Amino acid sequence: DIQMTQSPSSLSASVGDRVTITCRTSQAVSYAVAWYQQKPGNAPKRLIYPASTLQSGVPSRFSGSGSGTEFTLTISSLQPEDFATYYCLQHTNYPWTFGQGTKVEIK
Amino acid sequence: QVQLVQSGAEVKKPGASVKVSCKASGYTFRDHYIHWVRQAPGQGLEWMGWLNPNSGGINYAQNFQARVTMTRDTSTTTAYLDLTSLSSDDTAVYFCARGAPRVALVSAVPFDFWGQGTMITVSS
Repeated sequence: DIQMTQSPSSLSASVGDRVTITCRTSQAVSYAVAWYQQKPGNAPKRLIYPASTLQSGVPSRFSGSGSGTEFTLTISSLQPEDFATYYCLQHTNYPWTFGQGTKVEIK
Repeated sequence: QVQLVQSGAEVKKPGASVKVSCKASGYTFRDHYIHWVRQAPGQGLEWMGWLNPNSGGINYAQNFQARVTMTRDTSTTTAYLDLTSLSSDDTAVYFCARGAPRVALVSAVPFDFWGQGTMITVSS
């Protein structure tokens, strides 16, 4: 199985801060990584796939980059509605695997 | 609009089985794969497998292979997840999620729309 090492596991940030979350895969997955946002009690919402393409309707402050084994999700200016848990997902090798999640909390 | 509506929460005893339903609307049910993902309380997401609603074809994660069955009823546009031999480790929210269009590679497009989740509690 491909291991997804996501970091940090949590972070505290203020509104307006730039936030970067990293996901490293144990094997190369080309560009087949997606990023999801999950708020408590809700299903995840797809933000980005593959790797850097923003889902329609997702604010442009979100961006993704990377290929191969290292991927990043950046929020350029954190907004109150962005406080949530973020997951990366590799969707090319079975079983599909998620990162452990990054909880973004208010400082 | 695309909607996936799942069945309600259940409490099961260890060793029992559970069947979760996922009713799709707002798109052509046969035209997109359906995936199942679960999330234990306070934990991360775990992919369980996919179902091709058109052919009935399936691909299960090895962790669940012996205990899981994914099926569908195209007449009611509903997908089902059956999980047997439940233990407390199976206590989780189970999500269905729409995947790639069947004309594409299933791995080309990860889940876009998700169901609301079904809480399954396994307790004696």
